[in-house]
Amino acid sequence: DVKVTQSSRYLVKRTGEKVFLECVQDMDHENMFWYRQDPGLGLRLIYFSYDVKMKEKGDIPEGYSVSREKKERFSLILESASTNQTSMYLCASTLRGGQGPKEQYFGPGTRLTVT
Amino acid sequence: DQQVKQNSPSLSVQEGRISILNCDYTNSMFDYFLWYKKYPAEGPTFLISISSIKDKNEDGRFTVFLNKSAKHLSLHIVPSQPGDSAVYFCAAMTSGSARQLTFGSGTQLTVLP
Repeated sequence: DVKVTQSSRYLVKRTGEKVFLECVQDMDHENMFWYRQDPGLGLRLIYFSYDVKMKEKGDIPEGYSVSREKKERFSLILESASTNQTSMYLCASTLRGGQGPKEQYFGPGTRLTVT
Repeated sequence: DQQVKQNSPSLSVQEGRISILNCDYTNSMFDYFLWYKKYPAEGPTFLISISSIKDKNEDGRFTVFLNKSAKHLSLHIVPSQPGDSAVYFCAAMTSGSARQLTFGSGTQLTVLP
């Protein structure tokens, strides 16, 4: 059974703190993604990675960085959290290559509140 | 500029009737389209997809229609059930990419018993 797990379901941090969000998948997927979901804006891509140590900016990378040291793990880092980073963060993974739309599998999300 | 748009933030339907969720896109390079369903406090789950070479794809109660000339797709749910109440996201992809998806803003479907 496909599984994507995220380290925390709920997180409360203070402005200026460094925040780590962890994502692990057990499907041997090459591609991993970080999104944030905000009301009225849908899911917006922050960063993605198509291989270990590889990363690409998504649509809204400002204020974030990522790390992919192992194939199964993709971390999102908020270097200095700000209140406008309060959001639901979703991790996803998918296979690379082949034909057709390999659907992305999502984790349960982390609700981050920055005060 | 949003490349994938869902102009209806919410939709209410009576149980047993048809639900129609709409999605428009602007990028003609998109060649796959997907629908995801999301319950509160859970991640989105894949529902159904369609290739741009088709105009219809059906899976049980769910059918997706694609009108490529109008850059419009719709998801039909027949018959609607209370358990279908969720946020539905339309997403689009260009093949050959790292399988990045561009999502719409979502439509909250409420199926009334």
